[in-house]
Amino acid sequence: DAGVIQSPRHEVTEMGQEVTLRCKPISGHNSLFWYRQTMMRGLELLIYFNNNVPIDDSGMPEDRFSAKMPNASFSTLKIQPSEPRDSAVYFCASQGEEQFFGPGTRLTVL
Amino acid sequence: AQKVTQAQTEISVVEKEDVTLDCVYETRDTTYYLFWYKQPPSGELVFLIRRNSFDEQNEISGRYSWNFQKSTSSFNFTITASQVVDSAVYFCALSGNSGGYQKVTFGTGTKLQVIP
Repeated sequence: DAGVIQSPRHEVTEMGQEVTLRCKPISGHNSLFWYRQTMMRGLELLIYFNNNVPIDDSGMPEDRFSAKMPNASFSTLKIQPSEPRDSAVYFCASQGEEQFFGPGTRLTVL
Repeated sequence: AQKVTQAQTEISVVEKEDVTLDCVYETRDTTYYLFWYKQPPSGELVFLIRRNSFDEQNEISGRYSWNFQKSTSSFNFTITASQVVDSAVYFCALSGNSGGYQKVTFGTGTKLQVIP
């Protein structure tokens, strides 16, 4: 298994643009998590899916953020419109017995 | 509510020294899991260990060892004979069963610098 796959690995965009981050979890894992990591706030859980259903989205900062999981092998995190304070590393993690992280997407919003 | 406290923000040790990273947790769940992750300068998060709340046996994996004590709600991580490659940020995490699903809470991390 290739592990959790995230794309793109780096994204630079301008304020106001739409950003879509993608994640392919490990096959067979039932749970998928989106995290955001910044120096100021550390690792924050944004949203958690179980069997493709969003269970807890209380960490999603505001309506500009949305996440979907249309099937067991794909999830997206969308920011529209993006703002400079959204700049961070966004991790996707999938969980079977252990939680494994993807390599992250480094987002810079200018 | 769950909480994970890593009181040590940064630690510096000289190579070959032993070092212990502290982790204290709070949870009301009777069943939970504890984790340690390593985040090297390259940025990825590497899974190190998962411990079930019913298993208090200490674990050793090479130079790494973990001491789980329910009585003090601690899950400390010791690196023996530290090496420069151990330099990283280490996160302790807790996964509890809140409202019927697993919710993972991370500590703020301890930055370990091993000086050659």
